[in-house]
Amino acid sequence: GGIITQTPKFLIGQEGQKLTLKCQQNFNHDTMYWYRQDSGKGLRLIYYSITENDLQKGDLSEGYDASREKKSSFSLTVTSAQKNEMAVFLCASSIGGDWGQNTLYFGAGTRLSVL
Amino acid sequence: GDSVTQTEGLVTVTEGLPVKLNCTYQTTYLTIAFFWYVQYLNEAPQVLLKSSTDNKRTEHQGFHATLHKSSSSFHLQKSSAQLSDSALYYCALRNAGAKLTFGGGTRLTVRP
Repeated sequence: GGIITQTPKFLIGQEGQKLTLKCQQNFNHDTMYWYRQDSGKGLRLIYYSITENDLQKGDLSEGYDASREKKSSFSLTVTSAQKNEMAVFLCASSIGGDWGQNTLYFGAGTRLSVL
Repeated sequence: GDSVTQTEGLVTVTEGLPVKLNCTYQTTYLTIAFFWYVQYLNEAPQVLLKSSTDNKRTEHQGFHATLHKSSSSFHLQKSSAQLSDSALYYCALRNAGAKLTFGGGTRLTVRP
């Protein structure tokens, strides 16, 4: 088995601030993802990475940057936090290659609040 | 691009009665896989069911779903809902690549 660790669990920021969320996995998975979870809007893909140093934009990449410097870690940066923004950011990982029915394993999330 | 629609945001059912959560999709790809993920309160989403075979019933933990490509659907059903089934359920599809597209989610509440 393995685990996905997201830090911090809670993040409070100020409007306009740059904020970084971190994710570590010990599954030895090739592919990692960042999703944003909003009530009623489901899980929307921000960025994903097929392998170390690879970055692919998702549907919600504007306003975010990502970095995959190691196979085991994937970080997400909110480039300029929006006032009153509240959301949960979920990191996930999956075996790469022939994705097919490969399952995504999720972390517990980082809850962001912007004052 | 791909899209997944879950028509009900909230579903409430009485314990012991059947439950059905709807999921329809649109995709331009032929090779696809489908998933149901469940997220219990204060936990991470986890896979519940997955399928890529048309018209084949898939079962797990008392839930079942059948992919129907003719109607672009992958509804989730259970014959007898339990209190412990209360959670947020997501339908998702994957095309030939790594990207997984999720629906808006359905919050299921099972009442005594």
